[in-house]
Amino acid sequence: ILNVEQSPQSLHVQEGDSTNFTCSFPSSNFYALHWYRWETAKSPEALFVMTLNGDEKKKGRISATLNTKEGYSYLYIKGSQPEDSATYLCAFPSNYQLIWGAGTKLIIKP
Amino acid sequence: DTGVSQNPRHKITKRGQNVTFRCDPISEHNRLYWYRQTLGQGPEFLTYFQNEAQLEKSRLLSDRFSAERPKGSFSTLEIQRTEQGDSAMYLCASSPTWGGTKYNEQFFGPGTRLTVL
Repeated sequence: ILNVEQSPQSLHVQEGDSTNFTCSFPSSNFYALHWYRWETAKSPEALFVMTLNGDEKKKGRISATLNTKEGYSYLYIKGSQPEDSATYLCAFPSNYQLIWGAGTKLIIKP
Repeated sequence: DTGVSQNPRHKITKRGQNVTFRCDPISEHNRLYWYRQTLGQGPEFLTYFQNEAQLEKSRLLSDRFSAERPKGSFSTLEIQRTEQGDSAMYLCASSPTWGGTKYNEQFFGPGTRLTVL
């Protein structure tokens, strides 16, 4: 049974501070890891597809790294803003489906 | 808007009633997926269509659940004799057969939140 875990479950961050959270996944038979951002009342939005060990991807103030040998990925947010408040989910593709972590709920305090 | 759409966005029903949700995928996408998310959990896979063919069903999809995609375009998910445990967010996603297949990139709708009283 594939298991994808995320920590922490929730995070309160002061506006302007930087933060990071973790996704751990099975390191064997790795193809890719997806990061999604899910804001309340909206569709989950794809942030990154991580595919290669050592990958680092960046979109604005958000970046992600990947370690396939040890089975983890970090998501970093630099200079948090109120619009960053959302649940951040990682997902591991397994055949036709995505196996999801439970997400990290990020709340930015003004 | 050419994204995945789902209707209704919210549904409140009484236990024992039947409900039906609709998903309209991105038009050129052949694959369509249904997921369910309960509080504090990540989405869990329910079922998957390639065009009109339902190729896989999760053990979570009990006999009370049925999904269809009759013309390979929109899909419906019906729950019969709803139970309080069915209360959840039901998400639909679609993906193209070409391109992102290897990494299974999926595009999501906003979900239908079901509350069973």
